[in-house]
Amino acid sequence: DGGITQSPKYLFRKEGQNVTLSCEQNLNHDAMYWYRQDPGQGLRLIYYSQIVNDFQKGDIAEGYSVSREKKESFPLTVTSAQKNPTAFYLCASSLTGAYSNQPQHFGDGTRLSIL
Amino acid sequence: AQKVTQAQTEISVVEKEDVTLDCVYETRDTTYYLFWYKQPPSGELVFLIRRNSFDEQNEISGRYSWNFQKSTSSFNFTITASQVVDSAVYFCALSEAQGKRGSTLGRLYFGRGTQLTVWP
Repeated sequence: DGGITQSPKYLFRKEGQNVTLSCEQNLNHDAMYWYRQDPGQGLRLIYYSQIVNDFQKGDIAEGYSVSREKKESFPLTVTSAQKNPTAFYLCASSLTGAYSNQPQHFGDGTRLSIL
Repeated sequence: AQKVTQAQTEISVVEKEDVTLDCVYETRDTTYYLFWYKQPPSGELVFLIRRNSFDEQNEISGRYSWNFQKSTSSFNFTITASQVVDSAVYFCALSEAQGKRGSTLGRLYFGRGTQLTVWP
């Protein structure tokens, strides 16, 4: 079955540590997105990529980094500069980022906590 | 700037009651798209419906129906005869119109969500 796989499901970060969240899709989608969800805050866009080797900052990119070297993969690194990383992280993809009518498909999420 | 408001933070109903989730949006674009997503306790967001700004027809899908009113910038979602399995957080979202590459095309602006609890 086609879909989006996020791993790990749960992740713990120590102070000063960088951690990387994995997102893989086999839907052959061009566009991929990372969102952060905090209680009562809805989803906030961290980074998005409309095509391989290209990505753009969203609303809350500080303290995060991404890469898009392959179409199917869009890993998110939470750096030590992100002082409040505890949240639920959701990865999404859509057929293309060139048109705004494409629904986004979501993974199951990664819950990140600070030790 | 785009903005989506879901004023209802939490709603509780008893099974078989009808429930309406409100969504109000703001945009300067004349062409835009509206979405509803469901987030069950497992965490993933499930796409429910997409509506474009030129189509104001209401839509019904089983127990779900959507009322899009451009005049009031609202896109409300009604569940008829609610069931326990409908318990979830529901998000309304808005996306921008087509434009140049490099803009924020394709990104969704989400409301804060409405937690719906359906009691047996």
